Amino acid sequence: KQEVTQIPAALSVPEGENLVLNCSFTDSAIYNLQWFRQDPGKGLTSLLLIQSSQREQTSGRLNASLDKSSGRSTLYIAASQPGDSATYLCASIPYGAGSYQLTFGKGTKLSVIP
Amino acid sequence: DTAVSQTPKYLVTQMGNDKSIKCEQNLGHDTMYWYKQDSKKFLKIMFSYNNKELIINETVPNRFSPKSPDKAHLNLHINSLELGDSAVYFCASSHGTPNQPQHFGDGTRLSIL
Repeated sequence: KQEVTQIPAALSVPEGENLVLNCSFTDSAIYNLQWFRQDPGKGLTSLLLIQSSQREQTSGRLNASLDKSSGRSTLYIAASQPGDSATYLCASIPYGAGSYQLTFGKGTKLSVIP
Repeated sequence: DTAVSQTPKYLVTQMGNDKSIKCEQNLGHDTMYWYKQDSKKFLKIMFSYNNKELIINETVPNRFSPKSPDKAHLNLHINSLELGDSAVYFCASSHGTPNQPQHFGDGTRLSIL
């Protein structure tokens, strides 16, 4: 059974700093690894999706990497801004997951201090 | 142009009642999901459904039942509500392939008195 772990649970950084969020998963037989953002009282917004055959994906100031052999993914945020403050969740779809159900980590709560 | 919409946003009710949460998507997706986010913010799949199959997470009590009148809707019915059902419930949808992102609604916060 897939387990997804995110470290740290919370992170506070000054504005402008580059930062890395970590995600690890136990079952490397996955379709993909996805990163989401959740704002308080809101649903999840998909940020990046890395397919099993890919190593990384980039969108603006965000870069996500995937190393299936070690069961790890990282989300790199460059030049952080207060608007980046949110909870970041990683999730994977393991092979055999019916209808491609996501397995989530517990998230990292990011605070960017102006 | 809300892509995935849930109603109500908040639901406060007493133990033992039966309630429903509605979900609609206008993205033309063929697969819809219900997730539960508990008090510790942990998100867990409850159901996934397309026009071919309903897949139920084994840990979901049979008091919970999804009902889909058509491809754009997947409603969640809950019978005999218990205190432990208090949580935020999220609906999501996607195309029925694994490498398409899932789109989430804003959630329904259910509080059981």
